[in-house]
Amino acid sequence: AQTVTQSQPEMSVQEAETVTLSCTYDTSESDYYLFWYKQPPSRQMILVIRQEAYKQQNATENRFSVNFQKAAKSFSLKISDSQLGDAAMYFCAYRRANDYKLSFGAGTTVTVRA
Amino acid sequence: NAGVMQNPRHLVRRRGQEARLRCSPMKGHSHVYWYRQLPEEGLKFMVYLQKENIIDESGMPKERFSAEFPKEGPSILRIQQVVRGDSAAYFCASSPFQADGPSTDTQYFGPGTRLTVL
Repeated sequence: AQTVTQSQPEMSVQEAETVTLSCTYDTSESDYYLFWYKQPPSRQMILVIRQEAYKQQNATENRFSVNFQKAAKSFSLKISDSQLGDAAMYFCAYRRANDYKLSFGAGTTVTVRA
Repeated sequence: NAGVMQNPRHLVRRRGQEARLRCSPMKGHSHVYWYRQLPEEGLKFMVYLQKENIIDESGMPKERFSAEFPKEGPSILRIQQVVRGDSAAYFCASSPFQADGPSTDTQYFGPGTRLTVL
């Protein structure tokens, strides 16, 4: 079974600063997908960014970018120019390439200080 | 294009009652997944359905839990004789139709139903 570990239960960042959330995973597969989901207080799960394991280039979506280190099985999320609306729980998730089940980490709560 | 819809958003039940959670997938999506989020934990896969078919229910408790996705209407997750341990947020996700086997496309989540068992 795949496991996803988020070692930071909480992170705090000053508005306009940068914060990096860590995620590691355990798998014997070579082809898979990684995701970061955001869960604001409304509890809606919102897809932030997606990375295909076969792609060496790190995915980027506006102020959100990842650092994907396949050999180290690490998938960190960087939020640049943090905004108050970024405050949420962030979940890292893994899925094998030919599968549909998502495996989630326990989440990291991000607070943004004004 | 409306997103995944779930209702109710909040549901309170007493021990022993039945809980029915509904999920309408995004327009054009024919695959539905249910996940459960216990307090302070990440989401855990429960069941994967296509129209009129249960594809994988390996994550669903063997007793009291059932799911369906009829030809017409929303997907239903039913929990019979609820217990306090069933209190959780239940999320539904959907993905587009994929002709060549189970969908491996990105899953889009609904807002969840928060079930509280008294």
